[in-house]
Amino acid sequence: GENVEQHPSTLSVQEGDSAVIKCTYSDSASNYFPWYKQELGKRPQLIIDIRSNVGEKKDQRIAVTLNKTAKHFSLHITETQPEDSAVYFCAASGAAGNKLTFGGGTRVLVKP
Amino acid sequence: GAVVSQHPSWVICKSGTSVKIECRSLDFQATTMFWYRQFPKQSLMLMATSNEGSKATYEQGVEKDKFLINHASLTLSTLTVTSAHPEDSSFYICSAPTSGRVYEQFFGPGTRLTVL
Repeated sequence: GENVEQHPSTLSVQEGDSAVIKCTYSDSASNYFPWYKQELGKRPQLIIDIRSNVGEKKDQRIAVTLNKTAKHFSLHITETQPEDSAVYFCAASGAAGNKLTFGGGTRVLVKP
Repeated sequence: GAVVSQHPSWVICKSGTSVKIECRSLDFQATTMFWYRQFPKQSLMLMATSNEGSKATYEQGVEKDKFLINHASLTLSTLTVTSAHPEDSSFYICSAPTSGRVYEQFFGPGTRLTVL
């Protein structure tokens, strides 16, 4: 089955700096890669996703890049703000409506 | 649109009792729903795939006789934790894809289970 590795497990950045989280996946058949933000005790919230036919996608301060050959994808958050502090999860899925395999999560702390 | 609800949001039970958690798609039909478990400071781990009108598919290592799943309608899946023990205490979250946005999963708000 699919295996998703996520690094780093914790990330502390100064407000205004950029944050980068990286994930690798094992199953070359995976073709959907969402990123979630989860606050304590809450459901995961989709912040951005990318499908395998696209190499990069951007939404305001958030961007995701995908390298299918190397089987890795990354989340980039620019101009970080204290409200970006949360746990972020990457995930991979092999088909539409299919189950998600999550990475281990990254706890991001943005220091004012 | 695409709202998923869960009930209850939290439950405390005694060891040895059974607990049922409901997952509902409020404004769409879901032939498939997924159940995840999340321990404190850990990731979401898929437990099983709930299929409307057929048996659930369990992930390796998940006891199907302990975690009973019933997907009786296109809007409701239930997870029953039977003979709960303290090690079953966790955050249980369901999700469902929609037919309109086929890749995106919509998550329920989760159920915090505490077994005493």
